[in-house]
Amino acid sequence: NAGVTQTPKFRVLKTGQSMTLLCAQDMNHEYMYWYRQDPGMGLRLIHYSVGEGTTAKGEVPDGYNVSRLKKQNFLLGLESAAPSQTSVYFCASSYLLGGQVYGYTFGSGTRLTVV
Amino acid sequence: SQKIEQNSEALNIQEGKTATLTCNYTNYSPAYLQWYRQDPGRGPVFLLLIRENEKEKRKERLKVTFDTTLKQSLFHITASQPADSATYLCARATGNQFYFGTGTSLTVIP
Repeated sequence: NAGVTQTPKFRVLKTGQSMTLLCAQDMNHEYMYWYRQDPGMGLRLIHYSVGEGTTAKGEVPDGYNVSRLKKQNFLLGLESAAPSQTSVYFCASSYLLGGQVYGYTFGSGTRLTVV
Repeated sequence: SQKIEQNSEALNIQEGKTATLTCNYTNYSPAYLQWYRQDPGRGPVFLLLIRENEKEKRKERLKVTFDTTLKQSLFHITASQPADSATYLCARATGNQFYFGTGTSLTVIP
């Protein structure tokens, strides 16, 4: 099983450019998440989705948009990249167990640099 | 704010000893906490989940405790090995999302 796959793994953008990060999971999980990880800040939730066609904002949603058109895919978009969006981005998926969201399965990350 | 804090940024221990990592939370009572392991350049890997009505959870050499009075979870690795060297993250649940601490970097010295 592939689990959670993120593409691309690395990317360098110029300020003002746009891009889309793709997350795909093959575990039939309902819940999907996008986090960013910065030194000293830990993992911070950007957006999440509790099912196909639904999305919601997390802690740090500004400057990002998401879409979940298919259950297995969760896309993160940057419309106009800024240097402050330089980070490592992680996608995660999960499911309900006993009425609670169980442990996440994370992808391997996308390292994004905005110059 | 509902914070989750991991006390130590870094912890060094001798091989064979028990490593104990701490996670504290304030201003709320999470229904459950989770612990993850993260190696450099990789995504976190889920290790254990503990619910508020569970005092202790074990998995092989790992043990997690949850003390709702102290608002604290302890993560223990017994008989530690150099391969246990990694960053360990705790996370609290709020609805459908998890919020993470900044992690503790554990180094097991041979």
